[in-house]
Amino acid sequence: RKEVEQDPGPFNVPEGATVAFNCTYSNSASQSFFWYRQDCRKEPKLLMSVYSSGNEDGRFTAQLNRASQYISLLIRDSKLSDSATYLCVVNFKTGANNLFFGTGTRLTVIP
Amino acid sequence: DAGVTQSPTHLIKTRGQQVTLRCSPKSGHDTVSWYQQALGQGPQFIFQYYEEEERQRGNFPDRFSGHQFPNYSSELNVNALLLGDSALYLCASSNRDRVSEGEKLFFGSGTQLSVL
Repeated sequence: RKEVEQDPGPFNVPEGATVAFNCTYSNSASQSFFWYRQDCRKEPKLLMSVYSSGNEDGRFTAQLNRASQYISLLIRDSKLSDSATYLCVVNFKTGANNLFFGTGTRLTVIP
Repeated sequence: DAGVTQSPTHLIKTRGQQVTLRCSPKSGHDTVSWYQQALGQGPQFIFQYYEEEERQRGNFPDRFSGHQFPNYSSELNVNALLLGDSALYLCASSNRDRVSEGEKLFFGSGTQLSVL
């Protein structure tokens, strides 16, 4: 089983739609969780951290369920500029800079 | 404030050759991590350097080696290249003292390596 698993998509949604991505991780001792965004042929960039209580940043909401070892990202009112690959990222060790990336979920927002 | 810089941007090699990739971390960062990203996959952790020593290593063979210099810049070396080494190689930097805040890595734009 992979350390971090994501639905690769692709997800094709119209502008203004709400879309949700899911991610599961294998190590119950995982410490930190993130969503990164990667545009085609570009480097990954941190979108947001994921906290146990859930957190929101504008149109983006992240949720963490430690019992189910499950992370989600919700994007509301999708924009064309949201088209990208979204990477679920988990750090299994506190104090260690060693992140495990999912394969990414590709999103295309259609006009 | 310069971000993470990598060179070269693209590289073409043949099987069996050796390659060196370079990375300069973001100003104020002291830790460099290297990742390999194959087409259609997420980045895979290769190793991490801090204080000029390899601190952690992912599941990569000894053909992959590295170095960190006193100015925190780093090199990734790959010997005896295989076709399967073709990938985007990403360097990421961070500040070790900020680990407790979460692993907020800053990535360079990568080196696209093609092995023919």
